[in-house]
Amino acid sequence: EVQLLESGGGLEQPGGSLRLSCAASGFTFSSHAIGWVRQAPGKGLEWVSVISGSGSSTNHADSVKGRFTISRDNSKNTLYLQMNSLRAEDTAVYYCAKGVADRYYFDFWGQGTLVTVSS
Amino acid sequence: EIVLTQSPATLSLSPGERATLSCRASQSVSRYLAWYQQKPGQAPRLLIYDASNRATGIPARFSGSGSVTDFTLTISSLEPEDFAVYYCQQRGNWPLTFGQGTKVEIK
Repeated sequence: EVQLLESGGGLEQPGGSLRLSCAASGFTFSSHAIGWVRQAPGKGLEWVSVISGSGSSTNHADSVKGRFTISRDNSKNTLYLQMNSLRAEDTAVYYCAKGVADRYYFDFWGQGTLVTVSS
Repeated sequence: EIVLTQSPATLSLSPGERATLSCRASQSVSRYLAWYQQKPGQAPRLLIYDASNRATGIPARFSGSGSVTDFTLTISSLEPEDFAVYYCQQRGNWPLTFGQGTKVEIK
């Protein structure tokens, strides 16, 4: 059974940093792209970042480019999102989502971790 | 950036009725479009990918069609559990983008 378990969310001040983690199990981790999608309270879905199965290719939304970095450790079956220079508009539930093989659609999602940026 | 525009914003229907949801892209995405369902308090669920391929475990009442810029998600006969918000997503060009969602509510 595929499982994705996010952690690392919480309350942070504007300008601060957080590191999200996503522990994956139930599938061959290194064979799948995986990414982060966020949802601000009461709003729609916004893609944040995605990384290829090998980790050699990454892409970030313009809204987070230069502030957020996605990475993965295939030996630990874990995905990360380093979030720096946080802004109030980064407040959202962050979902870890598994890619459909090498396609950038997301067929399994974690339950999400809430990031709140506020002073 | 490719903008995905979903219509209508809200669809009010009764169980057993047919639902037709639209997603229009601001430029061609070929057939690289997916549909997701999201219920309150839950993570999204992939329904359709590459415009018309049902994801694993998705009932046959869900079908997708379209290409280039115009796409449709059809639910042939609404079940009580189908009342939710539906999003489209394209992977034809970076950045990946989602539509703003269509809420299917009980009439």
